[in-house]
Amino acid sequence: QSVLTQPPSASGTPGQRVTISCSGSSSSIGSRTVNWYQQLPGTAPNLLIYNNNQRPSGVPDRFSGSKSGTSASLAISGLQSVDDADYYCAAWDDSLNAWVFGGGTKLTVL
Amino acid sequence: QLRLQESGPGLVKPSETLSLTCTVSGGSISSSSYSWGWIRQPPGKGLEWIGSIYYSGSTYYNPSLKSRVTISVDTSKNQFSLKLSSVTAADTAVYYCARRVLGFAGYFDYWGQGTLLTVSS
Repeated sequence: QSVLTQPPSASGTPGQRVTISCSGSSSSIGSRTVNWYQQLPGTAPNLLIYNNNQRPSGVPDRFSGSKSGTSASLAISGLQSVDDADYYCAAWDDSLNAWVFGGGTKLTVL
Repeated sequence: QLRLQESGPGLVKPSETLSLTCTVSGGSISSSSYSWGWIRQPPGKGLEWIGSIYYSGSTYYNPSLKSRVTISVDTSKNQFSLKLSSVTAADTAVYYCARRVLGFAGYFDYWGQGTLLTVSS
């Protein structure tokens, strides 16, 4: 059971906009920033969003992040087949004194 | 370009101690701007943070694994290492090393490719 809660799956067709949610608590998302990672099959996670809504250099602006209270969301607009991957949210938890991850969301581009 | 590379035995017997090393190239491990961590992923499952270390040697561990984990750093070799004792089949996973940018809005920005470690007799 992951500390951060994500839907196990999401899907969309090319060109659509999809969102993935991440629910935490007052000691994690509620008091800390959220990061998002994309993991393509057979590869290491890749930083997609940091500090709730910042994109590292090289990440397309089709990807955006937001946070409100104890929840966060990742939005992907103009969905492409290359976006077919697993997505994980992460945050520091002040109560657990640990980095915590969501269980991951498998995004399928139909 | 920073690169992290995990190395280890691939197979460990139950009750033994797992030992992995992460070699950092393209940058110095001795920077006060970063810490260095281990994260694992059981087959078909999600990510779990194991622990992290600063170049000074100061460590912090996941409380759920703390009793079995030791992370150390060798700045002369630009490496840091993980030891996990008393392993069981539940410790079978891909183990990643990663660099964490420090600060309130910290995050893991560079990851190694990962190494699969199987616990089996």
